[in-house]
Amino acid sequence: QKEVEQNSGPLSVPEGAIASLNCTYSDRVSQSFFWYRQYSGKSPELIMSIYSNGDKEDGRFTAQLNKASQYVSLLIRDSQPSDSATYLCAVWGGSYIPTFGRGTSLIVHP
Amino acid sequence: DVKVTQSSRYLVKRTGEKVFLECVQDMDHENMFWYRQDPGLGLRLIYFSYDVKMKEKGDIPEGYSVSREKKERFSLILESASTNQTSMYLCASSTPDRHNSPLHFGNGTRLTVT
Repeated sequence: QKEVEQNSGPLSVPEGAIASLNCTYSDRVSQSFFWYRQYSGKSPELIMSIYSNGDKEDGRFTAQLNKASQYVSLLIRDSQPSDSATYLCAVWGGSYIPTFGRGTSLIVHP
Repeated sequence: DVKVTQSSRYLVKRTGEKVFLECVQDMDHENMFWYRQDPGLGLRLIYFSYDVKMKEKGDIPEGYSVSREKKERFSLILESASTNQTSMYLCASSTPDRHNSPLHFGNGTRLTVT
């Protein structure tokens, strides 16, 4: 059974701080990793993808992947109240279907 | 940009009605998916399709069926709606390049069955 685990939160950070969101996965053959942001009542929106070990930066977002530890994370620098949302981790291995975590709720307070 | 369009944003139906949820994508994607999302349960896969007229059951297919007569359109059918099918329904699509292609979601349909 492929599993993707995320802490449900909520993770509460002050405005301007770094928010760190974590995800672990069980399937060692996983090759593609995605982070989605989902605002309340809305659909998931893709914000980051990562395929190789190391860091990938896009604006205020950094995705980090460590395949040996089966761990992927998302850092949000200079967090803003508009970043308050649920963040879903998705892991794609050798099948047609990605496995999603249940998401971490992030609250950025002014 | 990939555009996945779900026909209704909000839908209210009565118990026992037959319900059709429509999804259309404009990027010639082979793979299409139907999920439902409930608080605390995350995304649960109902059905997916990797080609026209092909369909595969997901984790919770009971009470649902699907139709894919054209590549761009994937329909979810609730044969006889029940109150426990009240949920947010999300359609998604992707290319077959499963190592590099994320899912792109539609805006969702909030279905209420009374």
